[in-house]
Amino acid sequence: DIEMTQSPSSLSASVGDGVSITCRASQNVIKFLNWYQHKSGKAPKLLIHAASSLQTGVPSRFGGSGSGTYFTLTISRLQPEDFATYYCQQTYSAPFTFGPGTKVDIK
Amino acid sequence: QVQLVQSGAEVKEPGASVKVSCKASGYTFTAYFIHWVRQAPGQGLEWIGWINPNDGGTKYAQNFQGRVSMTIGTSMTTAYMELSRLRPDDTAIYYCGRAIPADQAIDIWGQGTVVNVSS
Repeated sequence: DIEMTQSPSSLSASVGDGVSITCRASQNVIKFLNWYQHKSGKAPKLLIHAASSLQTGVPSRFGGSGSGTYFTLTISRLQPEDFATYYCQQTYSAPFTFGPGTKVDIK
Repeated sequence: QVQLVQSGAEVKEPGASVKVSCKASGYTFTAYFIHWVRQAPGQGLEWIGWINPNDGGTKYAQNFQGRVSMTIGTSMTTAYMELSRLRPDDTAIYYCGRAIPADQAIDIWGQGTVVNVSS
C-alpha cells in the first residue's frame, strides 16, 4: 500500500494569512493526488484533483502543485470559512489511501 | 442537481451486519464509480473500496476484505455497502462518493451515515 504523510499535522493562522500544507507519498503517484477540505459534521469537499486542477466552484485562493512523491496545497489569504481539516489522497493505486490530515485553526 | 443521499443512522451489536444505501440522482449513474470512505471518531478518512455501477466490478481495501460487499440495486440508481461481523471499532461515519472517471477523485459526496456498534 502507498503510505501518505502530511505536514504539519496542525497549524494556527490568522484571517488573511497564506499557508502551505505538504503531502508526501511513499511511492511515485505521478499526479494522481487530490486534496479535500473536511469540516466536522459535514461531508468532505474536493478542492484539488490531479495535483493541480482546481475543482469547479472552489475559490482561486486554493492551489495545488507537485508530482511524483511530493505535493503542496497552498491557501492564500485565509478566510474564516477555510478553518478546517485538509486531507490529501492518492488515487494512483488501490487502496486509495488518505493522508492523516492537517488541521488549520484560528490563531 | 447532482446528489447522493444516504440511508439513516444505524445502531448494531457486535457481530451483526449493516447495509448502507447511497441513492444517486441528477447524473448518469453508470458513468461514475462509487467509492466508500469512513471516518471513525477522532480519526482521519479511511478508504473502503469502490464499485463500478456499469458492471458491478469492485475493489476493496485489504483491511475490509472478507467483511465488505458493495452492490448496485436493480433500479440502477442506488449503491449499497454491507459490512459484516461488526466490531466496536467499526463505529464511524460512512460516506459514499461519486468519482471523476479520469482520476477517481471524489467530487460528489453523500451526507454520511453514522454506524454505531455497541452492545
